[in-house]
Amino acid sequence: QQQVKQSPQSLIVQKGGISIINCAYENTAFDYFPWYQQFPGKGPALLIAIRPDVSEKKEGRFTISFNKSAKQFSLHIMDSQPGDSATYFCAASSSSGGSNYKLTFGKGTLLTVNP
Amino acid sequence: EAGVAQSPRYKIIEKRQSVAFWCNPISGHATLYWYQQILGQGPKLLIQFQNNGVVDDSQLPKDRFSAERLKGVDSTLKIQPAKLEDSAVYLCASSLRPVNQPQHFGDGTRLSIL
Repeated sequence: QQQVKQSPQSLIVQKGGISIINCAYENTAFDYFPWYQQFPGKGPALLIAIRPDVSEKKEGRFTISFNKSAKQFSLHIMDSQPGDSATYFCAASSSSGGSNYKLTFGKGTLLTVNP
Repeated sequence: EAGVAQSPRYKIIEKRQSVAFWCNPISGHATLYWYQQILGQGPKLLIQFQNNGVVDDSQLPKDRFSAERLKGVDSTLKIQPAKLEDSAVYLCASSLRPVNQPQHFGDGTRLSIL
């Protein structure tokens, strides 16, 4: 199965707060989990990615947490800033071949950070 | 490095007309993707090229959509004839290799069908 389920659909956070976006997947062959950030009128831009051999990856204020047994992964944005206001997409793909190569995206989370 | 270039940025056509989009990937990227992004949804892969060969076109509506990547560099995506449900942003992306690699997206072409 190819589905990646993302929640919440929208999120409002105060400046300085923590933003948390969650994703769940079904295909156990998935072994690459990127997060993309998209501003209005722009294409998605890779933010951070994780592979299942680690449970957490941090880059600056952005952290991915990965739970292989639960088939879930999440994005945490620490010290959220108004400039982080954008739509965030989780995605997943597999190196096992066939249609699994395809990057499957969640439906997105619209994050608004209030000043 | 220069990013993925797409043109035009916007296109408005009437249903049953034809339209074409152009993409120039990042230099040296062998893999090129076309995605369709409907408002409020994540991008959906339409077709993936490795050099000038098709890797995956399973979600491309082949009765109306076609794509080519001549010489393994630039690519064009065509819709003929267009339907109302084709209104979307068409995104082109490229990556160095086809498997589990960062994909770099262009800013897309916003297509409106009247």
